[in-house]
Amino acid sequence: DGGITQSPKYLFRKEGQNVTLSCEQNLNHDAMYWYRQDPGQGLRLIYYSQIVNDFQKGDIAEGYSVSREKKESFPLTVTSAQKNPTAFYLCASNKADGYYGYTFGSGTRLTVV
Amino acid sequence: AQSVTQPDIHITVSEGASLELRCNYSYGATPYLFWYVQSPGQGLQLLLKYFSGDTLVQGIKGFEAEFKRSQSSFNLRKPSVHWSDAAEYFCAVATGYSSASKIIFGSGTRLSIRP
Repeated sequence: DGGITQSPKYLFRKEGQNVTLSCEQNLNHDAMYWYRQDPGQGLRLIYYSQIVNDFQKGDIAEGYSVSREKKESFPLTVTSAQKNPTAFYLCASNKADGYYGYTFGSGTRLTVV
Repeated sequence: AQSVTQPDIHITVSEGASLELRCNYSYGATPYLFWYVQSPGQGLQLLLKYFSGDTLVQGIKGFEAEFKRSQSSFNLRKPSVHWSDAAEYFCAVATGYSSASKIIFGSGTRLSIRP
């Protein structure tokens, strides 16, 4: 079955470390997105990419970086510059030829220890 | 700027009772509207969407939503809730009809079911 796979499900980061969250999709979707979810704040867009080798900042891009070297993959790096990284991170994808609604992965919960 | 407001943070209803979750949006043009559901620790699943046409849209799991342009609302309804409906529900608006547009989410409404 097609879908989006996020890994790991749980991730612990020490202060000052960079960590990378994986997002892979086999839906042949062109667009991919990263959202951060905090309690009571809904979903906030971090980065998005509509085609390979191109991506744009969302509303809260500071302290994060991404790459889109393959259509299937859109990894997110949480850098040490992100001062409050503890959150639930969701990856999503969408077709380019019309709105079918996003397909979401099952998320990665990142905790700073 | 586009925005979505879900005025109810938490709602509790009895099993078998009817449900209505409120959603108001702010957008100058024709909105593209969605409702998603999220179980704890999981991703979001699309319940239904509205692009145009009939203002009453049917979704999965027995949910429906009605688009009311005059009230800038897109409320989600279900005639009889089941314990498995306990989850968080998000209303969202898209800024256009392509993946080049962005989806803006409301802050969510947590639904609890009373046995």
